[in-house]
Amino acid sequence: DVKVTQSSRYLVKRTGEKVFLECVQDMDHENMFWYRQDPGLGLRLIYFSYDVKMKEKGDIPEGYSVSREKKERFSLILESASTNQTSMYLCASSWGGQGGEKLFFGSGTQLSVL
Amino acid sequence: AQSVSQHNHHVILSEAASLELGCNYSYGGTVNLFWYVQYPGQHLQLLLKYFSGDPLVKGIKGFEAEFIKSKFSFNLRKPSVQWSDTAEYFCAVTPFSGGYNKLIFGAGTRLAVHP
Repeated sequence: DVKVTQSSRYLVKRTGEKVFLECVQDMDHENMFWYRQDPGLGLRLIYFSYDVKMKEKGDIPEGYSVSREKKERFSLILESASTNQTSMYLCASSWGGQGGEKLFFGSGTQLSVL
Repeated sequence: AQSVSQHNHHVILSEAASLELGCNYSYGGTVNLFWYVQYPGQHLQLLLKYFSGDPLVKGIKGFEAEFIKSKFSFNLRKPSVQWSDTAEYFCAVTPFSGGYNKLIFGAGTRLAVHP
């Protein structure tokens, strides 16, 4: 079974801090994704990556950056955390392709920025 | 812009009641369609998907969905819900438009089933 592991289940950070969210998948998937989940808004795509060192902006990339140095690991970085970035962050992965594949999700990281 | 609309944000049912959750999308071309479910405290998981072929697709746990192309809809149904179906349900669509085709999620529907 595919496993997508997010390093933290809960995080509390202060405004202005640099925040790293880590995600690792164990099925050699080409594609990896970062979403944020907010009540009433569903899931919104922040960034995705279809290969090592490759990244593409999603729908809401502002205030975020990503890093994919190894195929199995995809990191989300909040350069200077703000209160409006308080959210549930979900990592996902999928087999390579042009989209439309099934996504496998991690359990999520609930980030609170105070 | 392409979008996915889920008609109900909250649904409350008693056990054994029938369920239908609405989903509409705004794209006229080829699409892949999905329903994902998130049980309390668990990760999102795929409930069912439609890529092509029979527009009536069956998923896990007795769920099914029907793709009606003329209505741009992909409604989720279950004839008789159980307490364990309490969860949040997300409709998602991949519109194929060249390049990498991203998955677009609806806002979700929270279903509460009372014993």
